[in-house]
Amino acid sequence: DVVMTQSPLSLPVTLGQPASISCRSSQSLVNSDGNTYLNWFQQRPGQSPRRLIYEVSTRDSGVPDRFSGSGSGTDFTLKISRMEAEDVGVYYCMQGIHWPWTFGQGTKVEIK
Amino acid sequence: EVQLVESGGGLVQPGGSLRLSCAASGFTFSHYWMSWVRQAPGKGLEWVANINQDGSEKYYVDSVKARFTISKDNAKDSLYLQMNSLRAEDTAVYYCAKAGSTGSVDYWGQGTLVTVSS
Repeated sequence: DVVMTQSPLSLPVTLGQPASISCRSSQSLVNSDGNTYLNWFQQRPGQSPRRLIYEVSTRDSGVPDRFSGSGSGTDFTLKISRMEAEDVGVYYCMQGIHWPWTFGQGTKVEIK
Repeated sequence: EVQLVESGGGLVQPGGSLRLSCAASGFTFSHYWMSWVRQAPGKGLEWVANINQDGSEKYYVDSVKARFTISKDNAKDSLYLQMNSLRAEDTAVYYCAKAGSTGSVDYWGQGTLVTVSS
């Protein structure tokens, strides 16, 4: 199975400051169609996961533009440009090219 | 508005069976792949199974193969997960999810808790 490794696993962030989460995959996530199937999900406390970003960098409708995704091949990053209180939660990267689809361990983002 | 509502969770003894259901609305159910994803208490997310639009393709994570069966009824806009030979390690919240773009899901249900314990 493809192993997704996130770092850090815990990330205290001061309100208004940026945050960055790294995700590395054990295999390339580039599909034969040329697309890269790397997703980011947010799970707020007590809620279901919510997709933020798909195909590395495409934001879902309604996702604030302070969230951005980047990367290629096996190395990816989720950035929050300015931390807000509603961003507290656990963030997961997920690959959707190799079965079984696999998630990273999750990064817990909290207010410092 | 897309809605996914899971049901069927509960307490079951090891070795027992349970059938989860997911009622879908707000989109053309027959046009989409669907998935089940689970989350053990206090743990991360784990993909369980995927099924294609007409139910002819199914994929499972190794830990549930031969024990779980995913199915869908397009006439009833419903997704199912039949779980047999349940183990303590199957204890989790089970989420139903709708496929969005390729290699992803874009909507999740609220989840249903399955507890396997004697």
